[in-house]
Order: sequence, then structure tokens, then C-alpha cells
Amino acid sequence: QKEVEQDPGPLSVPEGAIVSLNCTYSNSAFQYFMWYRQYSRKGPELLMYTYSSGNKEDGRFTAQVDKSSKYISLFIRDSQPSDSATYLCAMNAGGTSYGKLTFGQGTILTVHP
Amino acid sequence: GAVVSQHPSRVICKSGTSVKIECRSLDFQATTMFWYRQFPKQSLMLMATSNEGSKATYEQGVEKDKFLINHASLTLSTLTVTSAHPEDSSFYICSASRTGRDTQYFGPGTRLTVL
Repeated sequence: QKEVEQDPGPLSVPEGAIVSLNCTYSNSAFQYFMWYRQYSRKGPELLMYTYSSGNKEDGRFTAQVDKSSKYISLFIRDSQPSDSATYLCAMNAGGTSYGKLTFGQGTILTVHP
Repeated sequence: GAVVSQHPSRVICKSGTSVKIECRSLDFQATTMFWYRQFPKQSLMLMATSNEGSKATYEQGVEKDKFLINHASLTLSTLTVTSAHPEDSSFYICSASRTGRDTQYFGPGTRLTVL
């Protein structure tokens, strides 16, 4: 079993839809949770960064962390064609992990006009 | 802020040659830098972690003599692929983290093609 599971999709939605992306994990030591967006042939771009459980909102993006269920989500409101990309969840245990991230497989999202 | 650059963005080389890829943090000091490789439609695979002024820590299965990493300063790390072969063709991405923080900022990647 992988430490981080993420449905690779692909996920296709119409413009304006609400998108829900999810990851589950098995390592209870994870404390820091990130979402990255990666366009084709580019490096990942940090979207959201949260610590421990709770919600965080930034514009059209909302990240949720439920440590009791070992489940994290990223919601995209009013999705746009420019949101079409691969979304990677990542997490680490902090402390002596020296920032080493464990990634999900990535979900390919297409938002069509 | 938190911009990471990589050079070159693409490189094509002949089998048996060595290739050096640079990773720079442009507007912050990066105590730790990471090197990943990524195959098409797959997630990132961590190759090694390097801290400024010390030897890199390689992940299991990564040949340290083939992938030489030098983290000479707080803003520069280099990855040298020695005696490259076609199977080394991949997308190589570096990332950097700031002192005391546990997230990473990624470079734009370098596409290596070995003929």
C-alpha cells in the first residue's frame, strides 16, 4: 500500500463547475499538507499549504485536512480552462523529516469551455 | 518570492557524455535542495536531498556515482549525470526549501534526452 493514495483521473468538468480533488494517506506522522499544480512539461507550483487539521481558503481554492480520517481535499470553485493541469498532493512529517515530501500520483484535470 | 530557476531547460546529449544541471534559488536562501526525476504521466520520484556544505543523501536505488550532486552555496545546487545513457532520459526537477520551513518550491524542470 502506498503511503499516499490519489485517484489519477482523468477528471473532466465544464467551465464554472466545482472541482473536488482528494488524497488519503496512511502515515499518521504527516503534519504538513500541500497541493501543487503542474502544467505539462513544467515544474510543480505550490497552491496551498496547511498544517494539521482544518480549512484554508485562497481565492477560488479551499484546502481541507481531516487528520482523524487521514483525508485531504482541494476544492476549486468556478473552475476555468486555465485550471487544466495535474494536481499533486504532498505531505511530510515535519520535524526531522528535513522537508522530504511524499507525493500522491497526481490527478489530471481538464476544464472544458 | 520563493523563485527557483533551472538551467538548462532542455538538453540533448550523446550517450557516454556528462551533463550538468543547475538549480538556483533566486530570492531566498535554501538550506535544503531536492532533486527529482519524473517520467511521463507519473509523479515525482525523489532522487536525493542535499544540504548546503554537506554530502547529499540519496534515495534507495539511486546511484550516487552516476548522479553527482553538489550544493556549494545557499542558492546553488548542481546535478551532474555522468556517462549518460538513453535510459537516463527524463524530466529532472529541483526544489528548494527555506530555513525552518517544511514546504518546497520547485524549479521549472530540465528535459534531458540522451541519444
